Order: sequence, then structure tokens, then C-alpha cells
Amino acid sequence: GAVVSQHPSWVICKSGTSVKIECRSLDFQATTMFWYRQFPKQSLMLMATSNEGSKATYEQGVEKDKFLINHASLTLSTLTVTSAHPEDSSFYICSALNRQGSGSGYTFGSGTRLTVV
Amino acid sequence: RKEVEQDPGPFNVPEGATVAFNCTYSNSASQSFFWYRQDCRKEPKLLMSVYSSGNEDGRFTAQLNRASQYISLLIRDSKLSDSATYLCVVTGWGNTGKLIFGQGTTLQVKP
Repeated sequence: GAVVSQHPSWVICKSGTSVKIECRSLDFQATTMFWYRQFPKQSLMLMATSNEGSKATYEQGVEKDKFLINHASLTLSTLTVTSAHPEDSSFYICSALNRQGSGSGYTFGSGTRLTVV
Repeated sequence: RKEVEQDPGPFNVPEGATVAFNCTYSNSASQSFFWYRQDCRKEPKLLMSVYSSGNEDGRFTAQLNRASQYISLLIRDSKLSDSATYLCVVTGWGNTGKLIFGQGTTLQVKP
């Protein structure tokens, strides 16, 4: 089935540094990628939607200059958390939309646990 | 009002019990409905899609009531391995493809 590879699975960084998270669709072309964030005991909250070759669409309250999204190819989307602070510590998950796939059509990456110290 | 609302639980049940989860959604234009399962510190995994006609997959039965904007999940003969958080998910309006997640309902099945 469709697979999305997300890296890194966990990262610890110092406050003020930037962290890049990658999601790759391994056996299908992901024209649309969604980025979610999940705080403990809360639901997944959509941060932004990225479409290959165009600018990402951010949800209300999500700073586009802080969370940089690049979707330059049909198989790779990246999320960069710039100038990370402890309050950015969270579980970040990508989800690729595969309109020709089975099931719900959404394939999730395995998530990245970010801890900012 | 949240777009997708669920009782967070936790639901603590003995093995073999039948348990039901409910969910309501606010946007009548939502097109697709799903139940996902999420284990601690893992990504969500699709459990089943939900249709108005109702659908069953082994011990799991899902039902959608569009008029009431209500979705349910029934788990029969609970197993220890069913312990997880169950997420009610709907697609956003329009053709954006967005998934809107409920907070999740936590199930703990005890021996």
C-alpha cells in the first residue's frame, strides 16, 4: 500500500535553532500534503496544506514565517520550524492525499516528536 | 463550538464488553467520515470509513446519521489490544481534502 516516510522520528533541539522535518511519498505522487500538530491529550490540529509547486495554505493562527513549508516535488514536502521555542514542542505529522489510493485516500507519516530545550 | 466533538473518556471496560463511542460534527457540508485509531505516540491509522447505510468490519460497526450529524462506533467483544484512542474524523467542506479530527475517545480494556 501507499507509504509516507517521515524523518526524523524524534528530535531534540536548542531554543532558537531551526528544525526541518521531511515527508516522502514512496510509491505514489502526493500532489497535496497536510501538516498537523498534536499536543499531549489533544487532537491533531491542521497547520497547513501544501500543494506541489505552489505556496502552502496556512490555517488561522499558524505563523507562515515560523513554519516554512516547501513542496517542490510530487514526492517530497518539508516543514521547517524556525527559531524553535519550548512551546513548539509537539508531535508533528504529515499526511499525503492519494486520490487514487484505497481506504480513506490519506496516508500518514509516522510522526516527528520535537522537543525544544 | 468544536467542528468535531467526542467524549474524551476514558472508557474503562472489561475484556469481552461491548462499548459504543459517539461523535457529532458541526458542518452539514462534510462529505466523508472516518474512524481512526491512534496508539500512544504513534500516527493515526484508519479503522474504517463510515456510511449512512452503516458498515461492519468484524467486531466493529460504524454508523452515520446525516440528519443529526452524528457518527457512532460500536466495538463488540472487546480485546486488550483494542486499548487505544479512537478519533472521529470528517472531511472539511468544499474539495480541500482537509481532515478535521475530533479530540479522540480513549478506551482502556482491562483483563
